[in-house]
Amino acid sequence: EIVLTQSPGTLSLSPGERATLSCRASQSVWSSYLAWYQQKPGQIPRLLIYGASSRATGIPDRFSGSGSGTDFTLTISRLEPEDSAVYYCHQYGSSPQPFGGGTKVEIK
Amino acid sequence: QVQLVQSGAEVKKPGASVKVSCKASGYAFTSYGINWVRQAPGQGLEWMGWISTSNGNTYYAQKLQDRVTMTTDTSTSTAYMELRSLRSDDTAVYSCARGAPLDIWGQGTMVTVSS
Repeated sequence: EIVLTQSPGTLSLSPGERATLSCRASQSVWSSYLAWYQQKPGQIPRLLIYGASSRATGIPDRFSGSGSGTDFTLTISRLEPEDSAVYYCHQYGSSPQPFGGGTKVEIK
Repeated sequence: QVQLVQSGAEVKKPGASVKVSCKASGYAFTSYGINWVRQAPGQGLEWMGWISTSNGNTYYAQKLQDRVTMTTDTSTSTAYMELRSLRSDDTAVYSCARGAPLDIWGQGTMVTVSS
């Protein structure tokens, strides 16, 4: 069973800065079936990235994903205040399909 | 539009069962599987399992497989998740989500387990 470990737990940055979030899998994720979701307080998660690097419909291009195998990264190139949220990675290449523990992004 | 609409909040006593529904609209129901995800208060997302809407095949998370059953009714485009022998630590928001990746989510159903 794949375990996803996200780091850091919390990221505190200023608007306009670059955020780099990591997701490491305990074994290779099949065919890069790795997704990232954004969840704001009181809201349901929203799909940001799928297939490790493809942006979902309507997602701004400041969000980008990269990686393969066991190491994946979500980058927010220029933080905006509305990017304050918890971000989760999720592998969906094989079942079970765990989520990572999440990274909280705080905007100073 | 494409949406998943879930049943309303539930309050249950320990040991009881709960059944949450998830009605799909705006797309071909049997073209996408349905996942169930829960989130305890202040905690992260927990994947519970998946059901194929085309043939009813299921895969449950190991920690829940003795207590959870996922079903579908293709005539009404509705998926169901039943959790039995409820405990206080099952208190959570339960959500259905379409496909892989999870591109459309239901609004969530709060299930509170309390004596």
